[in-house]
Order: sequence, then C-alpha cells, then structure tokens
Amino acid sequence: GAVVSQHPSRVICKSGTSVKIECRSLDFQATTMFWYRQFPKQSLMLMATSNEGSKATYEQGVEKDKFLINHASLTLSTLTVTSAHPEDSSFYICSASPPSAGYTDTQYFGPGTRLTVL
Amino acid sequence: DAKTTQPPSMDCAEGRAANLPCNHSTISGNEYVYWYRQIHSQGPQYIIHGLKNNETNEMASLIITEDRKSSTLILPHATLRDTAVYYCIVRGRSGNTPLVFGKGTRLSVIA
Repeated sequence: GAVVSQHPSRVICKSGTSVKIECRSLDFQATTMFWYRQFPKQSLMLMATSNEGSKATYEQGVEKDKFLINHASLTLSTLTVTSAHPEDSSFYICSASPPSAGYTDTQYFGPGTRLTVL
Repeated sequence: DAKTTQPPSMDCAEGRAANLPCNHSTISGNEYVYWYRQIHSQGPQYIIHGLKNNETNEMASLIITEDRKSSTLILPHATLRDTAVYYCIVRGRSGNTPLVFGKGTRLSVIA
C-alpha cells in the first residue's frame, strides 16, 4: 500500500511552547489529508481536514487558532500545536488517500506522533 | 458518530481463524465497509474493504451479508502479531471523506 510518514515520532515539550508535526505522503500526491488525535484507551477522533492550497476544515470543538494546519504542497501537511499544555498530550495521526481512477479511495495512515507536554 | 457496532473484545487461539463481526444496519447503498486495525502505539493499518460481494486479500477475508446490514472479517490463521484493535467503518465513495472510528474490537490472540 501507499506510504505515509510522520515526523517526529515522539516529542516532549514544556508547557507554553509550540510543536510542529509533519505528515508526508511518500509515493503519491494528496490534495487532502486528515489529522486525528487519540487519547489513551480511546478511539481516533478526527480533528481537521487539510486541503492543499486552501484553509483547513476543523471539527467542532477543535480550536483552529491552537492547532494550525498548513498544507503547502501535495505531499506535505503540517500540524502545529501552539502554546501546548499538558491536556494536549496525545497521539496525533495523519492520513491521506492516493488519487485513483476508481470510485473508492483507501486511506493510509502515518505511524503517529506521541506528544507529551510537561 | 460511528455507524457500526462491534463487540468490545474477543480472544482467539493462535493458528485458529478469528471471526470479527460488525453490525451496520443503517448502511446506505453507496457506502462501503472498510476494516482497519491498530496495533498498540501505531497508526491504523488498512486491511480490506467491500461493497456487497465477499472480498479476500493476502491479509483477510470480508464476508458481507446479502442485506448488507452486517459483515464479518476473517483472519484465517491468527498469529500473535494479529493482536490489535480492529475497526469496522462504513464510508461513502469519496476519498476526500474522512474515516469515522468507533470503539472497535480488541482482539487478543493467545498462544
């Protein structure tokens, strides 16, 4: 299947700092990428839809000024957690779909980024 | 909200077939059934998907009932590495539609 990478895989930061997480589609171009977060023992929750060349669409309850998303190219989306606090500690995961001529598009997920805010 | 219902957990003996059920009684005609799994502290891994016909690939088989209201994912010979949370998801045609995850089934493969 298609490959999606994330960097870093793990980050520890102090409260109040900002953290940038990168999501890359390695072998395909993606006009749309999705960002999820997962708290311990819970399922994945969609945070936002990242659209290349336009503003991201955020899910209800997700602060767009706190979670900045930039999708500047067809292979890279970044999520910046601004002024991170301990409650932002979570597992952040991105996904993307390779374009296809078929009418179903399988989404592939990155390995995730574990954020710990002290 | 997720449109599927799955048992919270299941056990399976190593080497035996693991049959994971999923109810999706409100599925609409143009929605597909997708299965993903998540091994601890990793991103979800795509397994298989189908519309109405049974599907098989190198990982698993997907059996969808004729009325499409339920399906079963079959891992023919479960190994310890198949221990994971398995998610059944229904979704429309567009790849630009996000996947909505329910709570999934935690499968434990036991030696």
